[in-house]
Amino acid sequence: RKEVEQDPGPFNVPEGATVAFNCTYSNSASQSFFWYRQDCRKEPKLLMSVYSSGNEDGRFTAQLNRASQYISLLIRDSKLSDSATYLCVVKGGNEKLTFGTGTRLTIIP
Amino acid sequence: EAGVAQSPRYKIIEKRQSVAFWCNPISGHATLYWYQQILGQGPKLLIQFQNNGVVDDSQLPKDRFSAERLKGVDSTLKIQPAKLEDSAVYLCASSPSGYYGYTFGSGTRLTVV
Repeated sequence: RKEVEQDPGPFNVPEGATVAFNCTYSNSASQSFFWYRQDCRKEPKLLMSVYSSGNEDGRFTAQLNRASQYISLLIRDSKLSDSATYLCVVKGGNEKLTFGTGTRLTIIP
Repeated sequence: EAGVAQSPRYKIIEKRQSVAFWCNPISGHATLYWYQQILGQGPKLLIQFQNNGVVDDSQLPKDRFSAERLKGVDSTLKIQPAKLEDSAVYLCASSPSGYYGYTFGSGTRLTVV
């Protein structure tokens, strides 16, 4: 089983729609969780951290379920500029980051 | 704040040749990472430094890859000899440690022909 698993997509979603991604992780001792965004031929950039209580940043909402070991990202009112690959990232001991394969999202006009 | 600097941006070499990449992290960041990202996959950790000490190099193919971080600042990653399957983007990231996000450099795109 992979340490971090994501549906690679692609997700093709009309502009204005809501889209959700899930990610599962295998190590129950994982400490911190993040969503990164990666545009084509660019480096990954931190989108948001994920907290147990859930957190929201504008149109983006992240949730963590430690009991089921999954993380989710919800994007509301999607924009064309949201088209990118979304990487689920889990931090374990020694601050090692483990990345999922990423979920490719394309917003269609 | 200056970002993570990497060079070169692109490199094309023939198989069995050697290549080196350079990374200068954000000033004051104690932790430095090298990741390999093959097309269509997520980044895979090759090596992690804390200051100038290696924390994790379990996924570094040590028969051909080496890395160093002298004086706990900038770092070099070397491949010798390169294979076709080494074609990838090599990303350097740094962190001040703790519960923070990590900043990536723009990467070096290596093509082995």
